[in-house]
Amino acid sequence: DAGVTQSPTHLIKTRGQQVTLRCSPKSGHDTVSWYQQALGQGPQFIFQYYEEEERQRGNFPDRFSGHQFPNYSSELNVNALLLGDSALYLCASSLGGGPTYEQYFGPGTRLTVT
Amino acid sequence: AQTVTQSQPEMSVQEAETVTLSCTYDTSESDYYLFWYKQPPSRQMILVIRQEAYKQQNATENRFSVNFQKAAKSFSLKISDSQLGDAAMYFCAYNTQGAQKLVFGQGTRLTINP
Repeated sequence: DAGVTQSPTHLIKTRGQQVTLRCSPKSGHDTVSWYQQALGQGPQFIFQYYEEEERQRGNFPDRFSGHQFPNYSSELNVNALLLGDSALYLCASSLGGGPTYEQYFGPGTRLTVT
Repeated sequence: AQTVTQSQPEMSVQEAETVTLSCTYDTSESDYYLFWYKQPPSRQMILVIRQEAYKQQNATENRFSVNFQKAAKSFSLKISDSQLGDAAMYFCAYNTQGAQKLVFGQGTRLTINP
């Protein structure tokens, strides 16, 4: 039973560029959440996707957008990259999105913006 | 807004001893959920233990147990018989029935001394 997978593992981009990160949820899960974890900090919620729609969004600018596909996989897109976007981006999957369900996390994508 | 505070940036303990990690939270909700996550150097966030606020009994998972004080809004994690593999960042997190996101504290880095 495959867990949550994310690609790529590491990514280096230049300021102003655009980036796409990918996530495949744990088998049987239908909800994907994205978090940004700056170095030495706890993860911050970006948004959650369920039934191919953004269900909830954290305090992130519109430069951060996402998508969920019919197979429940998801993408996180960040436009006009800033140095401050350098972080570990974590994807978490769950069933139904309710808090009683454990969110399973992937290993993350380390994004470095130079 | 809900907040989670972990006042101990770093903790260390001798192998086989017991250590307690502290967490406080602020919320006006009455129905919510609390979690402790472990993040080893591999970066993958792993759920250690979960507590439902409506349950008075403290949750226990093998060597891990919590002390949940609802009135004081305190949720500490006790690790008994510490093992080298317990070394990691530990994050306290909060979620409510109506919200889909996890709110994390800033983390406590736990070192196990052999």
